[in-house]
Amino acid sequence: EPEVTQTPSHQVTQMGQEVILRCVPISNHLYFYWYRQILGQKVEFLVSFYNNEISEKSEIFDDQFSVERPDGSNFTLKIRSTKLEDSAMYFCASRGQAYNSPLHFGNGTRLTVT
Amino acid sequence: TQLLEQSPQFLSIQEGENLTVYCNSSSVFSSLQWYRQEPGEGPVLLVTVVTGGEVKKLKRLTFQFGDARKDSSLHITAAQPGDTGLYLCAGDDNAGNMLTFGGGTRLMVKP
Repeated sequence: EPEVTQTPSHQVTQMGQEVILRCVPISNHLYFYWYRQILGQKVEFLVSFYNNEISEKSEIFDDQFSVERPDGSNFTLKIRSTKLEDSAMYFCASRGQAYNSPLHFGNGTRLTVT
Repeated sequence: TQLLEQSPQFLSIQEGENLTVYCNSSSVFSSLQWYRQEPGEGPVLLVTVVTGGEVKKLKRLTFQFGDARKDSSLHITAAQPGDTGLYLCAGDDNAGNMLTFGGGTRLMVKP
């Protein structure tokens, strides 16, 4: 069964550094998402992306965050200047075009900011 | 902002017992999805409910969507240790742009 893949599985970075989290969504999916989950807390929506543009973003997704689909397969999340509170699991998800089709999640990237 | 409240947050039961997890909101959702998440992994879809009053069964799991499409429940019959995990409900906004998650119910089933 096709799956969403994310790399790296674990990223350690120093405060103030830029990080890029990478995702390869399921190939025929058209909607792409980033979520994050701080340890022990709920899964929080960051951003949704469709037709090469952001369709929705949350308050968390401020100017230090950006997303890009640089080619036909990758979907990236960039954090420009990481803060300690950015430490979390970051999940990429994709869905097909059918109405109410479910999200398929990757296994996440654990980001640790020191 | 659409909010989903799940209860209980934690549940520890013995093998063979039944349980119900609730997911409530003041908002109407176009659909509601239930996921299960294992440590170190992403959420995995269990079921999607779309129609108000809909009931879906997945082996020992029964999912119900409220008539007004604001709430849902997950009932597990004769729980087994393999059911242990984090159960998440998530509501879909009408535009399909955003899935809002509840806080999750962490279930532990002891043998």
